[in-house]
Amino acid sequence: QSALTQPASVSGSPGQSITISCTGTSSDVGGHNYVSWYQQHPGKAPKVVIYEVSHRPSGVSDRFSGSKSGNTASLTISGLQAEDEADYYCSSYASSTTRVFGGGTKLTVL
Amino acid sequence: EVQLVESGGGLVQPGGTLRLSCAASGFTFNTLGMNWVRQAPGKGLEWVSYVSRSSSPIYYADSVKGRFTISRDNAKNSLYLQMNSLRVEDTAVYYCARDFGGEYYGSGSLDYWGQGTLVTVSS
Repeated sequence: QSALTQPASVSGSPGQSITISCTGTSSDVGGHNYVSWYQQHPGKAPKVVIYEVSHRPSGVSDRFSGSKSGNTASLTISGLQAEDEADYYCSSYASSTTRVFGGGTKLTVL
Repeated sequence: EVQLVESGGGLVQPGGTLRLSCAASGFTFNTLGMNWVRQAPGKGLEWVSYVSRSSSPIYYADSVKGRFTISRDNAKNSLYLQMNSLRVEDTAVYYCARDFGGEYYGSGSLDYWGQGTLVTVSS
């Protein structure tokens, strides 16, 4: 059950856009459209911001968007705001193991 | 309002046992699968286990298979995690999370999470 691969950190200035990648295999990210993204602020529980690759839950800003190409999924945050500073985790359904998470990416808003 | 409230965490010695509980409210508990996800101090999220709405099927991460048992009581709107043969590396905050949507068992998004309960395994 190998974790999905995410960059350890990304940064951007307010108003800019950033993209976080999430690389897996054909058994997880590439094989299904059940990729989700979670935002976690320090000391808080995670919160889903994208599900099924590109769907946004009610109440999540439209500045958050998701996509997938092959074995790599991506989360893009446009118009960066200070409140976006958090850890972000991708997760994918994996037919052999049910669910696998990425290692997490720390987003810093400069 | 959907609420998930975990309890049962604490300090336990290596080799010991602990039972976590998660009380659910605000939704029809017996219609959705549930998960346990953990997070070691300063580390990332790790999926632990999934139970379907009817308690079958059940899945475990390799790291806990044979030591942990997930269960649920739909009459009590409760989810459980029985943890045996605990190891130092099981030290983490344990979250219960609702599994919503998805065509396959365990493929849904984790749309609601509890606040977590801390399990510390140390001598």
